[in-house]
Amino acid sequence: DVVMTQSPLSLPVTLGQPASFSCRSSQSLVYSDGNTYLNWFHQRPGQSPRLLIYMVSNRDSGVPDRFSGSGSGTDFTLKISRVEAEDVGVYYCMQHTHWPRTFGQGTKVEIK
Amino acid sequence: EVQLVESGGGLVQPGGSLRLSCATSGFTFSNYWMYWVRQAPEKGLVWVSRINSDGSTINYADSVKGRFTISRDNAKNTLYLQLNSLRVDDTAVYYCTRDHSMGVWGQGTTVTVSS
Repeated sequence: DVVMTQSPLSLPVTLGQPASFSCRSSQSLVYSDGNTYLNWFHQRPGQSPRLLIYMVSNRDSGVPDRFSGSGSGTDFTLKISRVEAEDVGVYYCMQHTHWPRTFGQGTKVEIK
Repeated sequence: EVQLVESGGGLVQPGGSLRLSCATSGFTFSNYWMYWVRQAPEKGLVWVSRINSDGSTINYADSVKGRFTISRDNAKNTLYLQLNSLRVDDTAVYYCTRDHSMGVWGQGTTVTVSS
């Protein structure tokens, strides 16, 4: 199975400041069609996960433009340009290039 | 509005069974792969099973293979997960989610396996 490793596991952030999370895969996530199937999800406390970013850098519908994704191959990054209070929770990366689908262990974001 | 609504969770003893349902609306259910993902208390997300649009292709995580059965009824726009031979470590919130990107999620249904 492809192992997804996120860092840091916990990230205290200051409102209005940027934040950045890392996700690394144990194998390249480039599929045979040339696409890279790496998604980011946000899960607020007590809620279901929400898709933020698909295929590395595409924001899902309704996702604020302060969220951006980047990366290639095995190294990926999610950035928040200015953290807002509603951004607290856990962020997960997930790959769906290889079978079985695998998630990272999550990065927990808290306000300082 | 696209909606997924899970039901069927509850408290069950080890070795028991449950049938989870995921009722869908707002999209053409029969066009989509569907997935079950679970989350143990205070833990991360783990893929459990998936089924293609017509039910002809099914996959399971090794941890549930032989015990869980995924199915769908496209006439009723509903996804199912039959959970048999339940173990304490199957305790989790079970979510249904749509398609390979997992762009739509239900609210989850809680399964607690305890004696």
